[in-house]
Amino acid sequence: GDSVTQMEGPVTLSEEAFLTINCTYTATGYPSLFWYVQYPGEGLQLLLKATKADDKGSNKGFEATYRKETTSFHLEKGSVQVSDSAVYFCALYSGGYQKVTFGIGTKLQVIP
Amino acid sequence: EAGVTQFPSHSVIEKGQTVTLRCDPISGHDNLYWYRRVMGKEIKFLLHFVKESKQDESGMPNNRFLAERTGGTYSTLKVQPAELEDSGVYFCASSLRAVTSSEKLFFGSGTQLSVL
Repeated sequence: GDSVTQMEGPVTLSEEAFLTINCTYTATGYPSLFWYVQYPGEGLQLLLKATKADDKGSNKGFEATYRKETTSFHLEKGSVQVSDSAVYFCALYSGGYQKVTFGIGTKLQVIP
Repeated sequence: EAGVTQFPSHSVIEKGQTVTLRCDPISGHDNLYWYRRVMGKEIKFLLHFVKESKQDESGMPNNRFLAERTGGTYSTLKVQPAELEDSGVYFCASSLRAVTSSEKLFFGSGTQLSVL
């Protein structure tokens, strides 16, 4: 079945540091890949997505590239801010009538 | 526009008691999903409603869980009787159409359930 593996965290970074959160997946066919973010006290919201190999999703300074050869979709940001502190979930959708499959979530804490 | 609303935000109950969680999706969203995140584990799909019909309930853990969506508006998820392993965060999500690569899920902020 489909699965998503991401680093467990928590990840603690100083403001303006570089962020990478690793995500790898197992899926049938060619899934679409997503990063969702959950800020404290809020629901999950879609951060970015990529629907085919070599696509790069980007939003709010975050980027992730769909790497089919390594089955990865790592999340990166060049300079994190305190306001980026949240839990980040990698997810995939395999197409047809399928459910969205999520990873365990990675908690990011950015300190001033 | 109001988002997906869930309540209560927190619930603490004793083993063997009953708890009912409620979700109000975005108005007009026919598709409603329940997910659960047990601490330290991934968010797991529980079930999917299309209007008032259960489209997929393959993720429901056992028959202690009962979900309803009478009238195709809000949904409830009842756990009876609750067990310790039911503790976790229960998320509700809705979408206008069934999820696809381009259809976005809108999530509520979740209900934190603690069974003691």
